[in-house]
Amino acid sequence: ETGVTQTPRHLVMGMTNKKSLKCEQHLGHNAMYWYKQSAKKPLELMFVYSLEERVENNSVPSRFSPECPNSSHLFLHLHTLQPEDSALYLCASSQGRSLNSPLHFGNGTRLTVT
Amino acid sequence: QKEVEQNSGPLSVPEGAIASLNCTYSDRGSQSFFWYRQYSGKSPELIMFIYSNGDKEDGRFTAQLNKASQYVSLLIRDSQPSDSATYLCAVMDAGNMLTFGGGTRLMVKP
Repeated sequence: ETGVTQTPRHLVMGMTNKKSLKCEQHLGHNAMYWYKQSAKKPLELMFVYSLEERVENNSVPSRFSPECPNSSHLFLHLHTLQPEDSALYLCASSQGRSLNSPLHFGNGTRLTVT
Repeated sequence: QKEVEQNSGPLSVPEGAIASLNCTYSDRGSQSFFWYRQYSGKSPELIMFIYSNGDKEDGRFTAQLNKASQYVSLLIRDSQPSDSATYLCAVMDAGNMLTFGGGTRLMVKP
């Protein structure tokens, strides 16, 4: 496997469920990100991890809980979500956070909250 | 609130024409500028980036940056139907935070 891999690709969950999204990068990068993409809205940055430390938390509700056990893996734990949380959740990685360090995205998890 | 603005489109061009995609940004301290392409149902993929005023060419793609006008554009020469996608402009500030525009949907008609 190469690049950035996300699982599952699709997820339907009820508002009382607990689920986790998984992201794995095989690029040797040291920064990982969670983005949310809703219909007709720009990509929204949720969390940034650099060298396994959370460096950004963009005012995300506590029902979203990230975890970065090492530089290759990133999780997003979900609990008691709301229907408005339905969106495409994209994981990305980069080599550092320099000016010339573009993001490499995974294929995303399409989340539907019922 | 840092803003990156793009016309949502759709921008429709005939095959073989030049497609011109525009982006304006509010933060004068912005350092780098990225163009991503996103096909329907897929994740964004990087096309090119630019950080100096002027033009940068890569194959059929040319990025143009004018920091004084806070304007960045992407030209696609000899547009092909396979170029039909949403193009996302992203702007990185001095703190290495990346802000995305809402994207412009491009349709290239055969």
